[in-house]
Amino acid sequence: DAGVTQSPTHLIKTRGQHVTLRCSPISGHKSVSWYQQVLGQGPQFIFQYYEKEERGRGNFPDRFSARQFPNYSSELNVNALLLGDSALYLCASSLSTRRAGELFFGEGSRLTVL
Amino acid sequence: DAKTTQPPSMDCAEGRAANLPCNHSTISGNEYVYWYRQIHSQGPQYIIHGLKNNETNEMASLIITEDRKSSTLILPHATLRDTAVYYCIVRVDNQGGKLIFGQGTELSVKP
Repeated sequence: DAGVTQSPTHLIKTRGQHVTLRCSPISGHKSVSWYQQVLGQGPQFIFQYYEKEERGRGNFPDRFSARQFPNYSSELNVNALLLGDSALYLCASSLSTRRAGELFFGEGSRLTVL
Repeated sequence: DAKTTQPPSMDCAEGRAANLPCNHSTISGNEYVYWYRQIHSQGPQYIIHGLKNNETNEMASLIITEDRKSSTLILPHATLRDTAVYYCIVRVDNQGGKLIFGQGTELSVKP
């Protein structure tokens, strides 16, 4: 069975640009969460979506936004990119919001902002 | 902020048991202990979780002290492929997809 898939795997942007990252959850999983992992740090929670609604938001500026589609796939958008947005962006899926500590992570999208 | 404290790094000989400690002295009664690991350049991988009782699965065993203020993840026969950063996380079960990762323990399994 396919795991969580993310695209693109690597991308390079310049300051001020906009980026869209995509995630397809495991089949049957209705919850998608996004994390940012800066080099040398643990992942930081950005958003959770369940049934197309935002169910949680971390301490990130409004430049970060996300949405979930009817097929439960998700997009993370980041506007007005800063150098500090360079990181590995991880998507994780789970069956539901309750008893959802067991997350399945994708391999991530590595964003470099120049 | 993470509610757990872990040693930054540990070494283990291949084939021996790896015992990774975690301190969570402020854990609440409804918080579970979760362990994840992250192999270099990959996404984190769920290992095991527990509330009070010791737990075992095909990957590892989790030993939680009676007062629940600390726990130990045990990899019974470590292999080179177990080299990774191991994260201990405490959370209530209705927090959905939110996990608070700390710095973790970088485990190096050596031949």
